[in-house]
Amino acid sequence: AQSVTQLDSQVPVFEEAPVELRCNYSSSVSVYLFWYVQYPNQGLQLLLKYLSGSTLVKGINGFEAEFNKSQTSFHLRKPSVHISDTAEYFCAVSDGGGGFKTIFGAGTRLFVKA
Amino acid sequence: NAGVTQTPKFQVLKTGQSMTLQCAQDMNHNSMYWYRQDPGMGLRLIYYSASEGTTDKGEVPNGYNVSRLNKREFSLRLESAAPSQTSVYFCASSGPGQGYGYTFGSGTRLTVV
Repeated sequence: AQSVTQLDSQVPVFEEAPVELRCNYSSSVSVYLFWYVQYPNQGLQLLLKYLSGSTLVKGINGFEAEFNKSQTSFHLRKPSVHISDTAEYFCAVSDGGGGFKTIFGAGTRLFVKA
Repeated sequence: NAGVTQTPKFQVLKTGQSMTLQCAQDMNHNSMYWYRQDPGMGLRLIYYSASEGTTDKGEVPNGYNVSRLNKREFSLRLESAAPSQTSVYFCASSGPGQGYGYTFGSGTRLTVV
């Protein structure tokens, strides 16, 4: 069965500093990997996704993530964060073999301080 | 704007009452989903509909029923609400294949007292 572990429940960081939000997954099949962002009182929106090919994927708002198959990780990074990046971030995995379920991690709350 | 529309945005129910959460998408997506979000637990799948005319249970289906009314609409019904169903509910839809990613509605915040 698939599972997703987000290693940090909260990440405080100062504005303009780099940040990494960690995500590990377990799956016995090929997977698709996603990061979503949720701003307060809103639904989730897709930041980026890995389907195949290059292991470094770029998303919206300057975020990028690297797929590491040997480490079964998909960490999200941004070189310089802004106050407006304060939100909750969810890592998710779905079955690349055609299943219809996506499993979400518990979320990481990113808090950017001035 | 194109997207997923959920109603209502907020609801307070008494234990034992019933209600239906409505969801509609205008992106011609085949698949639709209902998730609940609870603090520290991420999103958990309640039910999904891979295509019009089909529905399947997710991780936490007990106490819920769904109807895929047509390609656009997917409703979630609580027959007899319980305090454990206090949560934020999200509807989502996706295009062909799981690699498409989901488009989420803005959520329904439900409190059962």
